[in-house]
Amino acid sequence: EVQLVESGGGLVEPGGSLRLSCAASGFTFSNAWMSWVRQAPGKGLEWVGRIKSKTDGGTTDYAAPVKGRFTISRDDSKNTLYLQMNSLKTDDTAVYYCNTDSLSSNYWGQGTLVTVSS
Amino acid sequence: DIVMTQSPDSLALSLGERATFNCKSSQSVLYSSNNKNYLAWYQQKPGQPPKLLIYWASTRDSGVPDRFSGSGSGTDFTLTISSLQAEDVAVYYCQQYYITPFTFGPGTKVDIK
Repeated sequence: EVQLVESGGGLVEPGGSLRLSCAASGFTFSNAWMSWVRQAPGKGLEWVGRIKSKTDGGTTDYAAPVKGRFTISRDDSKNTLYLQMNSLKTDDTAVYYCNTDSLSSNYWGQGTLVTVSS
Repeated sequence: DIVMTQSPDSLALSLGERATFNCKSSQSVLYSSNNKNYLAWYQQKPGQPPKLLIYWASTRDSGVPDRFSGSGSGTDFTLTISSLQAEDVAVYYCQQYYITPFTFGPGTKVDIK
């Protein structure tokens, strides 16, 4: 059974940092392209960014609002995806989902809530 | 960035009625070399993560009931539920994956009248 479990969310002050993790199981994580998508309270979905598999170059792409502040990385030995978030703003308050960037095997975690507030 | 718009914002229909949602992209998401539209539809129920329903604009994901169908090409797309069921109450989002950033539309909320 495929599982994606996000963790690391919480309350952080504006300007602070947080690192989210997404533990994957039930599929060959090292072959998967992975994405982060966020959803502000009561709002729609916003694509944050993705990372390709190392076999395909391991490169990353980001949405404009987070470029330069957020970094996506992966540890294939731990089957874990990361989202390092720096210089956080109140607008970054959202549930953050990790998902497999795949059409034929599209899986999502349950999300982790990040609240940026003083 | 490609901007995705959806209409209507919300709709309420009776059980068994046909539901139609529209999605428009600010530029074509049809890749000419393979003649595929890089357009997906997601369903999100309250308190749950999104679920992929349709990709390549018209291909149903595994296990998705055949009352869901997608159509369209280029910049204009439609998701249709042929006979609305109680379990279809959700928000429906379109997303283009033609080019990063892979933008979502604002969603259409569906309720039962």
